[in-house]
Parts: sequence; C-alpha cells; structure tokens
Amino acid sequence: QKEVEQNSGPLSVPEGAIASLNCTYSDRGSQSFFWYRQYSGKSPELIMSIYSNGDKEDGRFTAQLNKASQYVSLLIRDSQPSDSATYLCAVNIMSGGGFKTIFGAGTRLFVKA
Amino acid sequence: KAGVTQTPRYLIKTRGQQVTLSCSPISGHRSVSWYQQTPGQGLQFLFEYFSETQRNKGNFPGRFSGRQFSNSRSEMNVSTLELGDSALYLCASSAYLGGTEAFFGQGTRLTVV
Repeated sequence: QKEVEQNSGPLSVPEGAIASLNCTYSDRGSQSFFWYRQYSGKSPELIMSIYSNGDKEDGRFTAQLNKASQYVSLLIRDSQPSDSATYLCAVNIMSGGGFKTIFGAGTRLFVKA
Repeated sequence: KAGVTQTPRYLIKTRGQQVTLSCSPISGHRSVSWYQQTPGQGLQFLFEYFSETQRNKGNFPGRFSGRQFSNSRSEMNVSTLELGDSALYLCASSAYLGGTEAFFGQGTRLTVV
C-alpha cells in the first residue's frame, strides 16, 4: 500500500461546477495534511493546509479531513479554467523519530469552459 | 520577501559525472527538503536538512547526498550520474522541522545523457 494515494485522473468538470479531489493515507500517526497545485512546467504551490478533523474553507477551496477514515479531500467551488492543474495531496509521515512530508502522485484536473 | 531560489535552472550532464545543485530558502526558514520529480514516480522525498544536520532521508542510493550551511542554504550532490537520474529536482523551504508547510523553488531540470 502506498503511503499517500490519489486517483490520477484526469478529472474533468465544466466551468462553474464543484471539483472534488480525494486522498487516502496509510500512517495513522499523521498530523499534518496539505494540498498543493502544480501547473504544467511549474513547481508545486501550497494552497491549503489542515490539521484537525472537519472542514477548512479558504475562498473557493475547502479541505476536509477525517482521521478515523484516513481520508482528506479538496473541494473547489465554482471551478474556473485557470484551476486546471495537477493537485498534489501531501501528508506528514512518521520517520526516523520525526516526520517527513510524502506526496501523492497527484490528480490532474481539467475545467472545461 | 524573496522566495526559494534554486540554481542552476537547467543542467545537462554526461553519465558518470557528478553534479551539485543549490537552494537558498526563504529568509528565516531553517528547514530545506529536497525532492526528485519524474513523470513515472511523482514527487519523491530525498532528504531534509535543519540546522545544518540531515534529519530525515528517503529511499535513494548513497550517490545522493546533501549538506546545509549556517545561513540555511543547502546543496545537493549526485555522484556517478545515471540516465535514470534525469528529473526535476525541487527544493522546499519550511520554517520548522518535519512535515510543516513547505514552499518550493522553481526547480533544477537535470538531464543526463
């Protein structure tokens, strides 16, 4: 089992719709969860972090965390063509007495105008 | 506030050579993590440095090494280059150690021929 798993997609949604991106992780001790956006040819950009169970909203983005199910998701409301990118889920994993951040393979999102 | 700076942006090397990549983190950040990104494997964690000490490492051979200086700048070295080392190498800067919000540089694109 991979430490962080995402559906590779592509996920295609029409402009204005809600895009739902999902991620599962294997380490029950994980405490920190992040979503990054990566445009083609660019480096990853942090868009959300979440540390507690429940929802965290920031503009059109909502991150949801369920530690019991080892599940974290990202909802993008009113999707725009400019949201088309690869979304990377990142989780901190216990390692060597500390933590390291492990990334999922990413989900490609296409927003159709 | 300056972002994360990686140099050089592009490199072409021959098999068997060695290469050194540089990363200057955001001012005040003491943690630098290195990642390798390839189309097939995604973002793979190489190692993290904090206060001039390697604090965590991923599953890469010993040909991959790094160091961090007192000003938090970090270098990564790859010796005896192989064709499979061709990748985008990304450096991430964090204020704290281990699994916290990270901010990426633009990356160094290494091509081994």
